[in-house]
Amino acid sequence: GQNIDQPTEMTATEGAIVQINCTYQTSGFNGLFWYQQHAGEAPTFLSYNVLDGLEEKGRFSSFLSRSKGYSYLLLKELQMKDSASYLCAAKDSNYQLIWGAGTKLIIKP
Amino acid sequence: DVKVTQSSRYLVKRTGEKVFLECVQDMDHENMFWYRQDPGLGLRLIYFSYDVKMKEKGDIPEGYSVSREKKERFSLILESASTNQTSMYLCASSSGTGETGELFFGEGSRLTVL
Repeated sequence: GQNIDQPTEMTATEGAIVQINCTYQTSGFNGLFWYQQHAGEAPTFLSYNVLDGLEEKGRFSSFLSRSKGYSYLLLKELQMKDSASYLCAAKDSNYQLIWGAGTKLIIKP
Repeated sequence: DVKVTQSSRYLVKRTGEKVFLECVQDMDHENMFWYRQDPGLGLRLIYFSYDVKMKEKGDIPEGYSVSREKKERFSLILESASTNQTSMYLCASSSGTGETGELFFGEGSRLTVL
């Protein structure tokens, strides 16, 4: 079956760095997405990886290893506004998205 | 500013009632999707549409139907609401020609069925 695993909840300190991991098992692979969702709001797009390696976008970076079925989202210089859920989703061979349950990130001062 | 608008943020309905959830996007996107989001579960796809008048079943279509009469509007219909359809419903759209196919989501409609 198809599956996405990510931690349910993580806690980090303001100003620090946090890495949110995601492992996936899909029938074929056509890219991996990260979305951010603040409580009560719509998910918003953060990043897309289809090739191995690290993609950096400001304070946020996303990494992909296709051979390991693994991705992570790296958040640097954490701010209180980064408190949110982070959703990992992989696109399968039919270009359908398989979603993880999301990681709730709590930032403490 | 691009936008996906869902008609109702909060609804309370009774078991057996017919429920309409409306979604409108202003980005001229070809693709539109309806998901439900429940605690502890990933987003689950109910129905999607790649073109006007066209619809495809997602992973959990039972108990739902959809309508896409115009490109910008995608409606989700619960013919006879049941308590297990209490959930957050998210509409999304994407461009068929976009490089990443990123989704743009609406704010969500939280439905409670009593």
